[in-house]
Amino acid sequence: DTAVSQTPKYLVTQMGNDKSIKCEQNLGHDTMYWYKQDSKKFLKIMFSYNNKELIINETVPNRFSPKSPDKAHLNLHINSLELGDSAVYFCASSPEVGQGIYTEAFFGQGTRLTVV
Amino acid sequence: GDSVTQMEGPVTLSEEAFLTINCTYTATGYPSLFWYVQYPGEGLQLLLKATKADDKGSNKGFEATYRKETTSFHLEKGSVQVSDSAVYFCALSDRRASKIIFGSGTRLSIRP
Repeated sequence: DTAVSQTPKYLVTQMGNDKSIKCEQNLGHDTMYWYKQDSKKFLKIMFSYNNKELIINETVPNRFSPKSPDKAHLNLHINSLELGDSAVYFCASSPEVGQGIYTEAFFGQGTRLTVV
Repeated sequence: GDSVTQMEGPVTLSEEAFLTINCTYTATGYPSLFWYVQYPGEGLQLLLKATKADDKGSNKGFEATYRKETTSFHLEKGSVQVSDSAVYFCALSDRRASKIIFGSGTRLSIRP
C-alpha cells in the first residue's frame, strides 16, 4: 500500500492552461504539505494544512490554490500555467506527536510538471 | 527564521571511500533533524533522524549525531557503495511554523 500517493506522475501542458494534482495519504496523519523542487533540486515549501485548515502559505502566487476536502487529501490546482511553473511538485504528510510538535514528513513520488 | 546549510556538491568518491556531508542549522528552540535521500526519478525517503541533542541517528550504514554546541548534523558513512549515489538533503522541523525546512541538497556520485 502506497502511504502518500499523488497523481499524475507526469504532466505536460501548454501555457495558460489550468491543471490539478491530487494527493492522498493513508497514514492517518494530521498535516499535509506541498513542496516545489526546482531544476537545481532545491525544495521549497508551498503550503501546509493541518486537519483541513491552511497553516502555511509561503508567498505562493494566487494562481496556486490548494484544496483539502478531508484530512487524507490535499489537492493542488494551478490556474493560467506559466513556463516558470515547470518543476517537480511533492506532496507530503506528517503526524503531530503533541503540542504542535511534528516529526518527519513522508513524501509522495512527485509530479513532474512541464509547461510548454 | 530557521535555516539549514549543507555542503555544496557534487561529491564524487570511489567505492569503499569514507563519506562526510556537512550540515549546520540555525533554529530557535530545539528542532528535530533529518537526513533525506532522493534517488534518481524518485521521491524523498527518510534516511535517519535525531530528535534531541546528542542523539545519533543511523540507518543503512549512515550515521549523524545531533550536536547542539556546534549546531551541526553531519552525515557519515564508513564505506560507500555505488548504490549510495543519490541526492542527500539535511532538514529540520520548525515546530513553531509547522514545516520542515530543507538544505539545498548534495549530489553524491560513487565510482566503481
